[in-house]
Amino acid sequence: ELKVEQNPLFLSMQEGKNYTIYCNYSTTSDRLYWYRQDPGKSLESLFVLLSNGAVKQEGRLMASLDTKARLSTLHITAAVHDLSATYFCAAGETSGSRLTFGEGTQLTVNP
Amino acid sequence: DAGVIQSPRHEVTEMGQEVTLRCKPISGHDYLFWYRQTMMRGLELLIYFNNNVPIDDSGMPEDRFSAKMPNASFSTLKIQPSEPRDSAVYFCASSSTRVWNTIYFGEGSWLTVV
Repeated sequence: ELKVEQNPLFLSMQEGKNYTIYCNYSTTSDRLYWYRQDPGKSLESLFVLLSNGAVKQEGRLMASLDTKARLSTLHITAAVHDLSATYFCAAGETSGSRLTFGEGTQLTVNP
Repeated sequence: DAGVIQSPRHEVTEMGQEVTLRCKPISGHDYLFWYRQTMMRGLELLIYFNNNVPIDDSGMPEDRFSAKMPNASFSTLKIQPSEPRDSAVYFCASSSTRVWNTIYFGEGSWLTVV
C-alpha cells in the first residue's frame, strides 16, 4: 500500500525567507502531484512530476522529484503572504489510477 | 471551459436521512474520482471510475455509501442512512488518460449531518 508523508505539517515563515517542504512516498510511483488548498476552497493543481530528476518552477515555487529516494520537494523562494495555504503532495500508484495524498503542510507566511 | 461541477455546495441534514451528492466531470475526461476530506483523516479516495465503470471502491467506508456513474457526464455519491461521522467535504475530480498532467477537482460538497 502506497503511503505518503509530508513534513513539516505546519510551517510558519517570514516573508522573504526560503524553505522546503518534503514529501516521501513508500513504494514505486510513476507520478507525483503538488496541490494548493486555500481555506474553504478546492485543490488547485501546482505541478505534476513524471520522471526522475524532473524539476518544475512557477513563480516562487519549485518542485523536484527523486524517484530513487522516493522523495519530492517543494521549495519556496522569498516567501510572500499570498503563498499562505495548505500544500498537498500526492503520489500515483503504478498499478492503477489511485492518488494517495499526504497529510498536507499548512504554510503561514508572516509579514 | 467549465471545470468539475458539484452540487450541492453545502448540505445540512439530519442523521438517518439520505444524502445524494452530484458531479459533472470535465467533458472528455474518462476518469472520475470521489474523495472525502476531514480534519482527522485528511484526503481519502472513496471510489473511482474509468469510462463510467467503477474500478476501485475499496475506500468506500461501508455499505451506507454507494456511487454510480450512469453516463460520461454525471456521477452520484449517495449516503443512506447518513450519520454525524459522515460530515466532511466531498470532492469530485476528473482526469484524462490522454493527458496525465492534471487531475482537476471540483469545488466540493460540504456535508454536515446533525
